[in-house]
Amino acid sequence: DAKTTQPPSMDCAEGRAANLPCNHSTISGNEYVYWYRQIHSQGPQYIIHGLKNNETNEMASLIITEDRKSSTLILPHATLRDTAVYYCIVGYTGNQFYFGTGTSLTVIP
Amino acid sequence: EPEVTQTPSHQVTQMGQEVILRCVPISNHLYFYWYRQILGQKVEFLVSFYNNEISEKSEIFDDQFSVERPDGSNFTLKIRSTKLEDSAMYFCASSVVLAGAPSTDTQYFGPGTRLTVL
Repeated sequence: DAKTTQPPSMDCAEGRAANLPCNHSTISGNEYVYWYRQIHSQGPQYIIHGLKNNETNEMASLIITEDRKSSTLILPHATLRDTAVYYCIVGYTGNQFYFGTGTSLTVIP
Repeated sequence: EPEVTQTPSHQVTQMGQEVILRCVPISNHLYFYWYRQILGQKVEFLVSFYNNEISEKSEIFDDQFSVERPDGSNFTLKIRSTKLEDSAMYFCASSVVLAGAPSTDTQYFGPGTRLTVL
């Protein structure tokens, strides 16, 4: 089962920052936090991942709390194309990923 | 940018028939995976494959399923005798998993094959 908890849905105004939370209180010391998104039934798209430091790439920022029990994915300027289901996953890339139900983000014009 | 490709995009078959779903992982990747997603449900892990053998499999991956890397580029999932409940999107993924490089490692997914069993 997924070891993460995410709100089922969120709305965000276009152009504003979307902040998607994830709780992973049982994360192990060496497990990474991965974020993916899925648009309709397309393949999950990798967004970002991190271990304990905050990470930023061209798509998003990942903020991981100091105790690593939760994280937040930030899409700095949401567009309509960011409407998708966002999954937070903890684990190791060589092992199976457990996908939960994710957060359905709707970006509103 | 390298990507995982899958063929066909849509496969329709009759119950009881064998199907083979094909994937071309990213060329320098070492680990390969299959996941499936039944319509409206979660993405579920089926199997991972490394060094020409199954590394991990779920309880879904029973004797009806098999995987193979027949050559240096393809990775296949075979379902021997399809059932109605095998109708789903099947996603292939690959990752590098080099020792000493976990911080740059993640699984990259293909676009999926929609399998419809009639």
